[in-house]
Order: sequence, then structure tokens, then C-alpha cells
Amino acid sequence: AQSVTQPDIHITVSEGASLELRCNYSYGATPYLFWYVQSPGQGLQLLLKYFSGDTLVQGIKGFEAEFKRSQSSFNLRKPSVHWSDAAEYFCAVGGVRYNQGGKLIFGQGTELSVKP
Amino acid sequence: DVKVTQSSRYLVKRTGEKVFLECVQDMDHENMFWYRQDPGLGLRLIYFSYDVKMKEKGDIPEGYSVSREKKERFSLILESASTNQTSMYLCASTLGGGHLNQPQHFGDGTRLSIL
Repeated sequence: AQSVTQPDIHITVSEGASLELRCNYSYGATPYLFWYVQSPGQGLQLLLKYFSGDTLVQGIKGFEAEFKRSQSSFNLRKPSVHWSDAAEYFCAVGGVRYNQGGKLIFGQGTELSVKP
Repeated sequence: DVKVTQSSRYLVKRTGEKVFLECVQDMDHENMFWYRQDPGLGLRLIYFSYDVKMKEKGDIPEGYSVSREKKERFSLILESASTNQTSMYLCASTLGGGHLNQPQHFGDGTRLSIL
């Protein structure tokens, strides 16, 4: 069965430090991969997505993610974290046909705290 | 930009009440979804709809029903609210037609408390 694992429930980084959030997936074919961010009290906003082609994808807010098929991973990175990046981050895998449409499977989320 | 609007940000109801959560999208999307979000569990799919009057159960449909009378509107119904349905509820929409690579667009969520 398809699944997504985010091994880190909570991460704390200092402002200005680099960030890497981990995501591992289990899927039989080439997946469609997404990262979403959720600020406190808000819905989910799409950061970036991977379908095919270049394995390093750029997103909004200075984030990037790298697809590594051999490791079944799609880790999210940012070179320098800002205090406004404090939020919860969700990795999701798509491409799963679910009746008439597509279904996303979400990881459990990683909460990011940023120290001044 | 796609706009998904959930009618209430915060809602407090009593056990046994019938509760309606409303969601409207403005992009003519075929697919609409209802999730609940609980700490440590991520997002879990309750129901989704791929067309008007069409619905499919998700992973946790028990205690919920849905209604989609118009393409832009998708309602989640708690027939008899219970305290274990206290949660954050998120609505999402996306293109249909077998477009499996389309991201879902989310509303801001409704934080529902059942007392």
C-alpha cells in the first residue's frame, strides 16, 4: 500500500540556519510528490511539486526539494530559515487512482520551530 | 488563484447536534474532499466527491455524511455530533478527469469543538 513517512515530528532550527525536512514514500510507480505548508490556524498551501524531469524542484518562499528514486525520498530544503517559516510541513504522494479521481496520501507532518 | 472558502473558522456545538460544515470553490473543479486533521495523525480523508451528487467514502467515513447538490459546494454533515469529532476539518478541491498529478487546493479550515 502507498504510504508517506515524515520521520521527524518536531524540528527546531535557529534563524538563518539551513533546513532539511525528510520525507520517504512507498509507491509502486513514479509518484507525484508534493510539499505543503500550514501556518497556525490556516489551511495548507502548496510549496512545490514533482512530476518528472529534473529531480531538483524549486518552490515558493525559497524552498526546494530533491527527488531521489533510489532512496524513495523527497526531502525539503531551505538554505537560510526565516522566523516566518515556523509552521507545520506536510509531504504528500499523489498519482493514486481513487475511484473517479486522484487521491493524495499525506505524511504525519513535521512541525518547525525557529529560534531567534 | 483558486479560492476554497469554508463557511466557519471556529464552531462550537453540543453532543447530539446535527452539524453542517460548508465549503465552496470558485474554480469549477470536479473533485472536492473533506479531511480531518488531528495532532500526530496528519490529514485523514473522510469523503470525497468527483461530480455533482456523486460521493465516495474515504478512510474514516463513520459518523459523517456529505452532500453535493451543486458543483461548487460540498457539505460535510455530522448527523449526531460526538466529542470524538472535535477536530480541525479541511476542505480541498482539484481538477477531475483523471488528472492524477494535480495538487489539491485547501480552505483555511474549520476548528470544530463538540462539548
